[in-house]
Amino acid sequence: AQSVTQLDSHVSVSEGTPVLLRCNYSSSYSPSLFWYVQHPNKGLQLLLKYTSAATLVKGINGFEAEFKKSETSFHLTKPSAHMSDAAEYFCVVSDPDDYKLSFGAGTTVTVRA
Amino acid sequence: DTAVSQTPKYLVTQMGNDKSIKCEQNLGHDTMYWYKQDSKKFLKIMFSYNNKELIINETVPNRFSPKSPDKAHLNLHINSLELGDSAVYFCASSQAGSGGPHSTDTQYFGPGTRLTVL
Repeated sequence: AQSVTQLDSHVSVSEGTPVLLRCNYSSSYSPSLFWYVQHPNKGLQLLLKYTSAATLVKGINGFEAEFKKSETSFHLTKPSAHMSDAAEYFCVVSDPDDYKLSFGAGTTVTVRA
Repeated sequence: DTAVSQTPKYLVTQMGNDKSIKCEQNLGHDTMYWYKQDSKKFLKIMFSYNNKELIINETVPNRFSPKSPDKAHLNLHINSLELGDSAVYFCASSQAGSGGPHSTDTQYFGPGTRLTVL
């Protein structure tokens, strides 16, 4: 069974400083991994995904994530946070047998002016 | 144009009632899903249909019944609503390849329906 653990339930950063959201996965297969963002009272939007191609994945809005098999990690980063980055972020793993998405518990990002 | 739409956006109802949530996607996708997000924002898959055929049916009460009249629509009907059904329900869709749904498919989510059972 696939699962993900988001190591921080809440991250607070100042505008213009780097953002790091940590995610570890558990998978007995080569996983597909995703990061989704949910702004308040909105649906989920895909930021980026890893599907066994390049280990450094670039996404929208300046986000990127690096797949590290040895560490079973897929951390999300952004060099400079913007106020509009305040949202809930979900790390997600997909089961190759039945394409079910398993979501992490989410990380709430707040950005201070 | 909205890719995945849901109606209604908000639904407030009494315990014991029956209600439906509708979902439509105009992306031409083959696979559609229903997810439930609880008060702690945890998301869990409920159902998935591929070309109108049920392919994922998680352990949910049989009061919940999905219906897919065509590839573009997946509705969720809930009988005898209970307090614990209060949540945000998200519909999603993805494009399956010639071999059917795959773990690399990107799922596109609707805006959600906030259900409150009183």
